[in-house]
Amino acid sequence: EIVLTQSPATLSLSPGERAALSCRASQSVSSYLAWYQQKPGQAPRLLIYDASNRATGIPARFSGSGSGTDFILTIGSLEPEDFAVYYCQQRSNWPYTFGQGTKLEIK
Amino acid sequence: EVQLVESGGGLVQPGGSLRLSCAASGFTFSSYWMHWVRQAPGKGLVWVSHINSDGSSTNYAESVKGRFTISRDNAKNTLYLQMNSLRAEDTAVYYCTRTDTWGQGTLVTVSS
Repeated sequence: EIVLTQSPATLSLSPGERAALSCRASQSVSSYLAWYQQKPGQAPRLLIYDASNRATGIPARFSGSGSGTDFILTIGSLEPEDFAVYYCQQRSNWPYTFGQGTKLEIK
Repeated sequence: EVQLVESGGGLVQPGGSLRLSCAASGFTFSSYWMHWVRQAPGKGLVWVSHINSDGSSTNYAESVKGRFTISRDNAKNTLYLQMNSLRAEDTAVYYCTRTDTWGQGTLVTVSS
């Protein structure tokens, strides 16, 4: 099973700042990595698929990069609605594992 | 509008069974792989199971293998998850998803 490790566990930033969230895989997942955003009481929302492709309707301030074992989700300028929990998920090998999440909180 | 609506959750005793359903609308259901993902209270997301578009191929997380069965009825645009021999650790919100679209989830509570 591929283990995804997200860092940091919690990130405290202010609106307008830039956020960089990391996801590291225990073995190569090529570019088969997705990023999700989840707010309390809501279902996850797909942000990025295949490492760097924005999903439909996702603002341009969200971008993904990386391949192999190291990936980054960047949020260019934080809006108040961006404070949430973010998960990465690999779709390279069964089981399709998730990272443990990064909580992005308002500083 | 693409929509997924889960149902069938509830309270069940350990060792019991439950069948979850997920009604799909707004897209060609038979063309998509579908998944079940769960989230225990206050915890992260865990992928549970997958089924391919025609139902001929399935995969399961080790924690549910042999106890859960995923299936689909493409004529009814519905995805299912049959859950047997339920344990306390199966308590979670269960989401159906085609990865870019998620349902609102249904809560399964396993407790005596």
